[in-house]
Amino acid sequence: TQLLEQSPQFLSIQEGENLTVYCNSSSVFSSLQWYRQEPGEGPVLLVTVVTGGEVKKLKRLTFQFGDARKDSSLHITAAQPGDTGLYLCAVDPNSGGSNYKLTFGKGTLLTVNP
Amino acid sequence: GAGVSQSPRYKVAKRGQDVALRCDPISGHVSLFWYQQALGQGPEFLTYFQNEAQLDKSGLPSDRFFAERPEGSVSTLKIQRTQQEDSAVYLCASTQGSGGNEQFFGPGTRLTVL
Repeated sequence: TQLLEQSPQFLSIQEGENLTVYCNSSSVFSSLQWYRQEPGEGPVLLVTVVTGGEVKKLKRLTFQFGDARKDSSLHITAAQPGDTGLYLCAVDPNSGGSNYKLTFGKGTLLTVNP
Repeated sequence: GAGVSQSPRYKVAKRGQDVALRCDPISGHVSLFWYQQALGQGPEFLTYFQNEAQLDKSGLPSDRFFAERPEGSVSTLKIQRTQQEDSAVYLCASTQGSGGNEQFFGPGTRLTVL
């Protein structure tokens, strides 16, 4: 059983469309991170959310941490081809929240077509 | 400044061969991590170093996997007697502190075992 369930697994949309991807778990976490990984590259950290109900914005990307700190969503407004990549959520499953031993979801592979 | 670098970027090995994968972390970064990313999956934690000390090797899948960081900078992940199931991308990451910091990932080494 995966600690983090990401959905959808694949998403292909046209430039300009909006989309939301999800990261769900039955466990409670002290914080959650979102990464984007482009082909042939390592993951790059986009954001860390730490407070239940927290909303963070990064240009056209909006991240939300669930009130119970078990789930998170990433919403992209007016998607661009440059948003194409694998979106991964990650947590440190240790209650101490050391953030060294990250557990990742399987990711959502997003393709934005021009 | 230079990011995390890994070499080789691609490695093809015949089953049973030994391989060595190198990671050069960001200069001055205390912590270093190795992850394994199978096709269509998120990265999975292998091992963690703080300076030259290997503090956690719980993710290493078998005793054929060995990692070292003798001088607290460059690290090598060695896989002995490679098997087909070892085929994956091996990612290295480093952080400035000992935990709770952003992990900076290298581009990975894609290992294919024939």
